[in-house]
Amino acid sequence: GIQVEQSPPDLILQEGANSTLRCNFSDSVNNLQWFHQNPWGQLINLFYIPSGTKQNGRLSATTVATERYSLLYISSSQTTDSGVYFCAVRIYGNKLVFGAGTILRVKS
Amino acid sequence: GAGVSQSPSNKVTEKGKDVELRCDPISGHTALYWYRQSLGQGLEFLIYFQGNSAPDKSGLPSDRFSAERTGGSVSTLTIQRTQQEDSAVYLCASSSLSGGYADTQYFGPGTRLTVL
Repeated sequence: GIQVEQSPPDLILQEGANSTLRCNFSDSVNNLQWFHQNPWGQLINLFYIPSGTKQNGRLSATTVATERYSLLYISSSQTTDSGVYFCAVRIYGNKLVFGAGTILRVKS
Repeated sequence: GAGVSQSPSNKVTEKGKDVELRCDPISGHTALYWYRQSLGQGLEFLIYFQGNSAPDKSGLPSDRFSAERTGGSVSTLTIQRTQQEDSAVYLCASSSLSGGYADTQYFGPGTRLTVL
């Protein structure tokens, strides 16, 4: 089956720093979503991004489907950005296959 | 409703008992999904309902797991004869469909199941 790899696995930032999270996938996909799982376990949608670039405030994402990767940029990080970031790719049958996640900790 | 809701939020049960987990999707969403999040396996797909079509059960780990969706809305995931390895957070999601493809999947808060 399709493999979804996220890097780095862990990241510690000082408040105000910028970061880039990467998601590689091993096969063609229909779509890709980025999620933030907050400390209470809720999965929050960040981006639905099959290709191209989208921006939402301090966050932006770029997917290059032909090269099978996506990037999530976090600028001017805040402590509330802490949590786990997942990318998930949509394959046939509309099911999502998740990466293992990047654990982000932002220190004040 | 405003979002996907799940109940109960926490469930503790004894090994061998049956449990039922409930999901209320976003109103108007025709697609409903169950996933499971556990320490060893990460986030994994369990089952997918699309309208009146037969569900995709390809992710169910054993025949002790079953799910139904009544009236195209509420769904119940049932685990029979629970085992300790069933301990996990069970997440429900829903989405609309465009041309048969799922739009953004929105997740509920999950049910944390602990099997003693």
